[in-house]
Order: sequence, then structure tokens, then C-alpha cells
Amino acid sequence: DTAVSQTPKYLVTQMGNDKSIKCEQNLGHDTMYWYKQDSKKFLKIMFSYNNKELIINETVPNRFSPKSPDKAHLNLHINSLELGDSAVYFCASRQNSGAYEQYFGPGTRLTVT
Amino acid sequence: GENVEQHPSTLSVQEGDSAVIKCTYSDSASNYFPWYKQELGKRPQLIIDIRSNVGEKKDQRIAVTLNKTAKHFSLHITETQPEDSAVYFCAASMGSSASKIIFGSGTRLSIRP
Repeated sequence: DTAVSQTPKYLVTQMGNDKSIKCEQNLGHDTMYWYKQDSKKFLKIMFSYNNKELIINETVPNRFSPKSPDKAHLNLHINSLELGDSAVYFCASRQNSGAYEQYFGPGTRLTVT
Repeated sequence: GENVEQHPSTLSVQEGDSAVIKCTYSDSASNYFPWYKQELGKRPQLIIDIRSNVGEKKDQRIAVTLNKTAKHFSLHITETQPEDSAVYFCAASMGSSASKIIFGSGTRLSIRP
């Protein structure tokens, strides 16, 4: 019955590899997000999808490619991983009307060695 | 673009005392201001939010005030308890439906027994 789930929880990989993080929400929300939280705890928005359509695309290297197969899922694929990609990545979702609260997933700690 | 500044970056208060965290925002069109609490190793969770048509909102020991003219908003926690220890983030919205929120840099609050 988890509202927003992410897999994997931890990901350790070497520079140059390609990896994916998956996110699923069972709240019926229309909008989903990816955030990056660095070692200083700064939370920065990366992407947002509304009903499978990309609506927010911040200044993120094009090595990062989000994919939304349906409105309950938003995955993040990262090519050619670099040391600076090490961070915790949070997925979040919210409904489009009424309350604006964003519900966050548990996070994926990515470590690039 | 929108910029949100948050102060202080760290705050230590005696248990039972009050804590105040302050934020400023740059975009006068911002109309939604949430506060998130992130405990160590956990996901951010909404604790209170305020919209631009309201000057103050209270929920038990937590209150938020908004000064639209000065573009300031603050979080007040009274009668602090050990479980209040966490990182607190303010945020401000962009867009008509607050689809994008920009987070402040966070305040690490420690409650001394």
C-alpha cells in the first residue's frame, strides 16, 4: 500500500555505466517529478511529467532521460554516469487540482565510483 | 527565474523553546508556499503550507506567516520536542497551478535535551 515507491533503494556503479531508476505511484496523481538531492541536502527539480507529457525540464545534462510509460510510472535513465551524479534521487507525485502537496518516494541513493 | 533563500542553515534550540526559520522569494507571482520536513535518511514530507491569499496559518505547534509585500515567509515551531530535529525546507511555487516548486537550501534543526 506504499503511495510512491522507487527501485532500487541503493545503486552503486562505476563511471561510464548506464543505469535506470524506477518510480511508481498508486495515488491516482497526474503529475510526477524527479528531484536530485546532493550531499549538502539541496533539493533540485529535474523533470516533471503531467499525464505522460513532459512539462518541466530543468538544465539537466542530456545524459538524463526520463520516461513515463503511463501516468502512474516515471522512470529515470542515466547514460555515461559521472562522479558528480552521485546523489539521492527522489521521485514525487501530486494531483493537479485542490491540494498541491507533493508526495515523495523513499529515494534512491546513487553512488558512482 | 524564481530563487528562494532560507536562513539559518543550522539552528540549535533548547527543548521547549521556539524555533523560527525564515525564507525570502524573488518572484512576486509565487502563490503557494509549502514547508517540508526531512528526517535523517527519510523522504521529505509536507508539514504545513500557505497560499498567497492568507497571511498566517497554524497547525498545533507549527505556524507559518507570509508577508507578500516583503516577499518573506517564516516557519514557527513552539514548545520544541526531540522529534522536531530534522532538516526543514521552505519552497515557493511557480506557475498557475503551482506545478513547479523551488526549494530553499534547508535548515538543520537540532533540539537540545
